[in-house]
Amino acid sequence: GDSVTQMEGPVTLSEEAFLTINCTYTATGYPSLFWYVQYPGEGLQLLLKATKADDKGSNKGFEATYRKETTSFHLEKGSVQVSDSAVYFCALLQSFTGANSKLTFGKGITLSVRP
Amino acid sequence: KAGVTQTPRYLIKTRGQQVTLSCSPISGHRSVSWYQQTPGQGLQFLFEYFSETQRNKGNFPGRFSGRQFSNSRSEMNVSTLELGDSALYLCASTEGRTDTQYFGPGTRLTVL
Repeated sequence: GDSVTQMEGPVTLSEEAFLTINCTYTATGYPSLFWYVQYPGEGLQLLLKATKADDKGSNKGFEATYRKETTSFHLEKGSVQVSDSAVYFCALLQSFTGANSKLTFGKGITLSVRP
Repeated sequence: KAGVTQTPRYLIKTRGQQVTLSCSPISGHRSVSWYQQTPGQGLQFLFEYFSETQRNKGNFPGRFSGRQFSNSRSEMNVSTLELGDSALYLCASTEGRTDTQYFGPGTRLTVL
Protein backbone atom coordinates (compact mmCIF):
# COMPACT_ATOMS: atom_id res chain seq x y z
CA GLY A 1 0.00 0.00 0.00
CA ASP A 2 0.86 3.65 -0.07
CA SER A 3 3.32 5.01 2.48
CA VAL A 4 5.21 8.18 3.35
CA THR A 5 8.56 8.26 5.12
CA GLN A 6 9.88 11.36 6.82
CA MET A 7 13.30 11.91 8.29
CA GLU A 8 13.66 11.31 12.01
CA GLY A 9 13.32 14.27 14.31
CA PRO A 10 13.25 16.48 16.19
CA VAL A 11 15.13 19.20 14.36
CA THR A 12 16.51 22.25 16.16
CA LEU A 13 17.84 25.20 14.19
CA SER A 14 18.94 28.74 14.89
CA GLU A 15 16.95 31.59 13.42
CA GLU A 16 17.87 32.36 9.79
CA ALA A 17 19.32 28.88 9.24
CA PHE A 18 18.50 26.84 6.13
CA LEU A 19 15.91 24.12 6.53
CA THR A 20 15.54 20.83 4.71
CA ILE A 21 13.04 18.17 5.81
CA ASN A 22 13.20 14.98 3.79
CA CYS A 23 10.13 13.13 2.59
CA THR A 24 9.94 10.07 0.35
CA TYR A 25 6.91 8.11 -0.69
CA THR A 26 5.82 4.75 -2.04
CA ALA A 27 2.72 4.72 -4.19
CA THR A 28 1.37 3.39 -7.43
CA GLY A 29 0.36 5.79 -10.13
CA TYR A 30 0.59 9.54 -9.79
CA PRO A 31 -0.38 10.76 -6.34
CA SER A 32 -0.65 14.37 -5.26
CA LEU A 33 1.78 15.42 -2.54
CA PHE A 34 1.27 17.81 0.35
CA TRP A 35 3.01 19.41 3.29
CA TYR A 36 0.88 20.26 6.29
CA VAL A 37 1.97 22.12 9.42
CA GLN A 38 0.56 21.78 12.92
CA TYR A 39 1.11 24.42 15.58
CA PRO A 40 0.68 23.50 19.25
CA GLY A 41 -2.93 22.91 20.17
CA GLU A 42 -4.19 23.35 16.62
CA GLY A 43 -5.31 21.29 13.65
CA LEU A 44 -3.39 20.85 10.40
CA GLN A 45 -2.80 23.75 8.06
CA LEU A 46 -2.03 23.18 4.41
CA LEU A 47 1.42 24.59 3.72
CA LEU A 48 1.91 23.66 0.06
CA LYS A 49 1.11 21.02 -2.51
CA ALA A 50 2.12 19.60 -5.89
CA THR A 51 -0.06 17.50 -8.14
CA LYS A 52 2.32 16.17 -10.78
CA ALA A 53 5.96 15.39 -11.41
CA ASP A 54 8.34 18.39 -11.46
CA ASP A 55 5.69 20.70 -9.96
CA LYS A 56 7.05 23.03 -7.28
CA GLY A 57 4.77 24.01 -4.43
CA SER A 58 5.60 27.15 -2.50
CA ASN A 59 4.14 29.21 0.33
CA LYS A 60 5.47 31.54 3.06
CA GLY A 61 9.06 31.00 1.91
CA PHE A 62 8.76 27.19 1.97
CA GLU A 63 9.25 25.18 -1.22
CA ALA A 64 9.05 21.53 -2.25
CA THR A 65 9.47 19.92 -5.66
CA TYR A 66 7.68 16.72 -6.73
CA ARG A 67 10.47 14.39 -7.87
CA LYS A 68 9.03 11.25 -9.40
CA GLU A 69 12.41 9.75 -10.28
CA THR A 70 13.46 9.77 -6.62
CA THR A 71 9.89 9.54 -5.22
CA SER A 72 10.63 12.53 -3.00
CA PHE A 73 9.04 15.79 -1.89
CA HIS A 74 11.59 17.45 0.36
CA LEU A 75 10.61 20.66 2.15
CA GLU A 76 13.05 23.58 2.14
CA LYS A 77 13.20 27.11 3.48
CA GLY A 78 16.11 29.46 3.05
CA SER A 79 15.84 31.29 6.38
CA VAL A 80 13.71 29.94 9.22
CA GLN A 81 12.05 32.08 11.88
CA VAL A 82 11.07 31.32 15.46
CA SER A 83 7.46 31.38 14.30
CA ASP A 84 8.16 28.37 12.04
CA SER A 85 8.46 26.14 15.12
CA ALA A 86 5.81 23.47 14.62
CA VAL A 87 5.27 19.88 13.52
CA TYR A 88 5.50 19.25 9.78
CA PHE A 89 3.71 16.40 8.01
CA CYS A 90 4.28 15.12 4.50
CA ALA A 91 1.27 13.42 2.92
CA LEU A 92 0.10 11.87 -0.31
CA LEU A 93 -3.31 11.52 -1.92
CA GLN A 94 -4.21 8.96 -4.51
CA SER A 95 -6.71 10.18 -7.03
CA PHE A 96 -9.27 7.69 -8.23
CA THR A 97 -12.45 8.73 -9.94
CA GLY A 98 -15.40 8.53 -7.60
CA ALA A 99 -13.51 7.25 -4.57
CA ASN A 100 -10.91 9.44 -3.04
CA SER A 101 -9.92 11.68 -0.19
CA LYS A 102 -7.76 9.39 1.91
CA LEU A 103 -4.56 11.15 2.84
CA THR A 104 -1.62 8.98 3.85
CA PHE A 105 0.66 10.82 6.27
CA GLY A 106 4.24 10.51 7.38
CA LYS A 107 4.98 10.44 11.11
CA GLY A 108 5.68 14.15 11.26
CA ILE A 109 8.77 15.98 12.41
CA THR A 110 9.05 18.61 15.12
CA LEU A 111 10.97 21.72 14.20
CA SER A 112 12.22 24.07 16.92
CA VAL A 113 13.84 27.35 15.94
CA ARG A 114 15.98 29.16 18.52
CA PRO A 115 16.22 32.98 18.52
CA LYS B 1 -15.08 32.03 3.69
CA ALA B 2 -15.33 30.37 7.08
CA GLY B 3 -13.05 27.40 7.73
CA VAL B 4 -13.85 23.95 9.01
CA THR B 5 -15.43 24.03 12.44
CA GLN B 6 -15.46 21.22 14.96
CA THR B 7 -17.39 20.96 18.19
CA PRO B 8 -16.71 20.47 20.96
CA ARG B 9 -13.04 21.32 21.15
CA TYR B 10 -12.46 19.27 24.27
CA LEU B 11 -14.23 16.28 25.78
CA ILE B 12 -13.62 14.14 28.82
CA LYS B 13 -15.42 10.80 29.04
CA THR B 14 -15.08 7.61 31.01
CA ARG B 15 -14.60 4.10 29.69
CA GLY B 16 -17.75 2.50 28.37
CA GLN B 17 -19.47 5.77 27.51
CA GLN B 18 -20.18 6.92 24.00
CA VAL B 19 -19.37 10.22 22.35
CA THR B 20 -20.49 12.22 19.31
CA LEU B 21 -18.28 14.74 17.58
CA SER B 22 -19.47 17.26 15.03
CA CYS B 23 -17.87 18.82 11.98
CA SER B 24 -19.10 21.58 9.67
CA PRO B 25 -17.17 21.74 6.40
CA ILE B 26 -16.26 24.78 4.38
CA SER B 27 -19.27 26.09 2.51
CA GLY B 28 -19.62 24.33 -0.83
CA HIS B 29 -17.46 21.35 0.12
CA ARG B 30 -19.38 18.09 -0.09
CA SER B 31 -16.77 15.64 1.16
CA VAL B 32 -15.82 15.28 4.81
CA SER B 33 -13.07 13.01 6.12
CA TRP B 34 -12.18 12.10 9.68
CA TYR B 35 -8.74 11.27 11.08
CA GLN B 36 -7.48 10.16 14.46
CA GLN B 37 -4.18 11.55 15.72
CA THR B 38 -2.28 9.88 18.57
CA PRO B 39 1.36 10.13 19.62
CA GLY B 40 1.90 6.43 19.01
CA GLN B 41 0.05 5.84 15.74
CA GLY B 42 0.24 9.28 14.20
CA LEU B 43 -2.50 10.36 11.81
CA GLN B 44 -4.85 7.58 10.75
CA PHE B 45 -7.77 7.78 8.37
CA LEU B 46 -11.15 6.86 9.85
CA PHE B 47 -13.69 7.42 7.06
CA GLU B 48 -14.91 9.76 4.37
CA TYR B 49 -18.41 10.89 3.55
CA PHE B 50 -19.64 12.38 0.31
CA SER B 51 -23.23 13.37 -0.37
CA GLU B 52 -24.43 11.59 2.78
CA THR B 53 -22.75 8.30 1.80
CA GLN B 54 -19.68 6.69 3.29
CA ARG B 55 -17.27 6.49 0.38
CA ASN B 56 -14.11 5.25 2.05
CA LYS B 57 -13.30 3.61 5.36
CA GLY B 58 -10.12 3.05 7.33
CA ASN B 59 -9.15 0.14 9.49
CA PHE B 60 -11.00 0.91 12.70
CA PRO B 61 -13.42 -1.26 14.70
CA GLY B 62 -17.16 -0.95 14.27
CA ARG B 63 -17.37 1.14 17.46
CA PHE B 64 -16.36 4.04 15.24
CA SER B 65 -19.14 5.24 13.00
CA GLY B 66 -20.19 8.38 11.24
CA ARG B 67 -22.80 10.03 9.16
CA GLN B 68 -23.30 13.04 6.98
CA PHE B 69 -26.33 15.25 6.67
CA SER B 70 -27.86 16.89 3.63
CA ASN B 71 -26.11 20.18 4.48
CA SER B 72 -22.75 18.29 4.41
CA ARG B 73 -22.26 18.57 8.18
CA SER B 74 -20.87 15.35 9.59
CA GLU B 75 -20.83 13.59 12.90
CA MET B 76 -18.73 10.75 14.14
CA ASN B 77 -19.67 8.52 17.02
CA VAL B 78 -17.56 6.29 19.18
CA SER B 79 -19.38 3.78 21.35
CA THR B 80 -18.10 1.86 24.35
CA LEU B 81 -15.11 4.10 24.78
CA GLU B 82 -11.73 2.60 25.62
CA LEU B 83 -8.68 4.32 27.11
CA GLY B 84 -6.92 3.94 23.76
CA ASP B 85 -9.53 6.11 22.08
CA SER B 86 -8.00 9.16 23.72
CA ALA B 87 -6.81 11.22 20.78
CA LEU B 88 -7.21 14.34 18.72
CA TYR B 89 -9.96 13.79 16.16
CA LEU B 90 -9.56 15.88 13.06
CA CYS B 91 -12.13 16.59 10.42
CA ALA B 92 -11.21 17.72 6.92
CA SER B 93 -13.35 19.04 4.11
CA THR B 94 -12.33 18.54 0.52
CA GLU B 95 -12.35 21.14 -2.21
CA GLY B 96 -13.86 19.10 -5.02
CA ARG B 97 -12.04 20.75 -7.89
CA THR B 98 -8.53 20.18 -6.49
CA ASP B 99 -9.05 17.30 -4.02
CA THR B 100 -7.27 19.43 -1.41
CA GLN B 101 -8.26 18.75 2.18
CA TYR B 102 -8.63 21.56 4.71
CA PHE B 103 -8.62 20.63 8.36
CA GLY B 104 -10.51 21.87 11.37
CA PRO B 105 -8.96 22.56 14.78
CA GLY B 106 -9.84 19.11 16.06
CA THR B 107 -11.64 17.71 19.08
CA ARG B 108 -9.42 16.54 21.92
CA LEU B 109 -11.04 13.46 23.48
CA THR B 110 -9.76 12.17 26.80
CA VAL B 111 -11.05 8.84 28.08
CA LEU B 112 -10.57 8.20 31.79
